Amino acid sequence: DTGVSQDPRHKITKRGQNVTFRCDPISEHNRLYWYRQTLGQGPEFLTYFQNEAQLEKSRLLSDRFSAERPKGSFSTLEIQRTEQGDSAMYLCASSLRLAQTDTQYFGPGTRLTVL
Amino acid sequence: AQSVTQLGSHVSVSEGALVLLRCNYSSSVPPYLFWYVQYPNQGLQLLLKYTSAATLVKGINGFEAEFKKSETSFHLTKPSAHMSDAAEYFCAVFITGGGADGLTFGKGTHLIIQP
Repeated sequence: DTGVSQDPRHKITKRGQNVTFRCDPISEHNRLYWYRQTLGQGPEFLTYFQNEAQLEKSRLLSDRFSAERPKGSFSTLEIQRTEQGDSAMYLCASSLRLAQTDTQYFGPGTRLTVL
Repeated sequence: AQSVTQLGSHVSVSEGALVLLRCNYSSSVPPYLFWYVQYPNQGLQLLLKYTSAATLVKGINGFEAEFKKSETSFHLTKPSAHMSDAAEYFCAVFITGGGADGLTFGKGTHLIIQP
């Protein structure tokens, strides 16, 4: 158990509905990352926060996706007007940025199925 | 831009045999390299990482990897496979100052252990 938790673990929704996922990082970690993993692929970077600031967004993150990290603690990832192509595992990771690099610790993921 | 190539989407070895999972990277600057393992319906667990110290890196569960700059490789090995090693393995690269602070993952190698 790495200490990163995600909720819910599974979500089934109908096309066009909005969904929101939550990630609770390891408590002292200042960085929080979101990744998407489709079947048979490695995780793809979506976005990350340093404290409460969202510092980078991938091109994969369309305008239907929004992420927040109020107060630099937990984070939410919302997908509006879901499409079948959004079906994937959404992974959250956190790290403590100390020097040139940091180790990212991953949560168990939220598996989204869009019908 | 950095990239990672994992040779072989599936690798099958007998229990007790040597495990070798191949990873090659592409980067114009010295990279940081990681191996993660993913068990079914779980998040990713860090096995080991290379951060420009020793080129031979030892990780958890008896795994190790060697960074070879001349070959741009970071192959993962384990002398004797155990049934519990059956999982998906991902190689990832992180480039500092590359404009993207997320990890770039390979597509993964599914390790099958034959009894």
